[in-house]
Amino acid sequence: DVKVTQSSRYLVKRTGEKVFLECVQDMDHENMFWYRQDPGLGLRLIYFSYDVKMKEKGDIPEGYSVSREKKERFSLILESASTNQTSMYLCASSLLQGQTYEQYFGPGTRLTVT
Amino acid sequence: TQLLEQSPQFLSIQEGENLTVYCNSSSVFSSLQWYRQEPGEGPVLLVTVVTGGEVKKLKRLTFQFGDARKDSSLHITAAQPGDTGLYLCAGDNYGQNFVFGPGTRLSVLP
Repeated sequence: DVKVTQSSRYLVKRTGEKVFLECVQDMDHENMFWYRQDPGLGLRLIYFSYDVKMKEKGDIPEGYSVSREKKERFSLILESASTNQTSMYLCASSLLQGQTYEQYFGPGTRLTVT
Repeated sequence: TQLLEQSPQFLSIQEGENLTVYCNSSSVFSSLQWYRQEPGEGPVLLVTVVTGGEVKKLKRLTFQFGDARKDSSLHITAAQPGDTGLYLCAGDNYGQNFVFGPGTRLSVLP
């Protein structure tokens, strides 16, 4: 079974703090993704990565950065946390299965910025 | 910008009833996936449909991909309380990225 783990299930940070969210997958997947999920807005893509040291901006990259130094690990960084970054953060990895890519998610990190 | 719409947004039914939820877009996708998400957890992949007109069954769940690969439906027969959750559809843009719908929140009452 594919396993995607995230470093924390719940996190509370203060405005202005630097926040690191880490994601690890154990299935040698090339592609990894960071989303945030907010009520009524669904999942919105922040950043994704096709390979080590490669990153691409998603739909809402402002206020975030990412790091992928190893294939299995994809980190999301909030340089200076703000209250509007309070959200559920979901990491995913994907692999080509036949003709399609299938995405597998971690359990999520619920971040509260006070 | 590619968008996926889902309807209904909320659905509350009694155990044993049938239901259908819809996922629609004006864009063509290489495949479409359905996920179920329970509170406090990440989405779990249920099925991937690839070919226009394709129908897949997963026990009491039937998934259909539209002929033009722009829309999909999920039909649940004899719903059970364990089916409760947020159902998400996601369009695969040829592996480049995934576009998610806002979800249908289903509540099945015993």
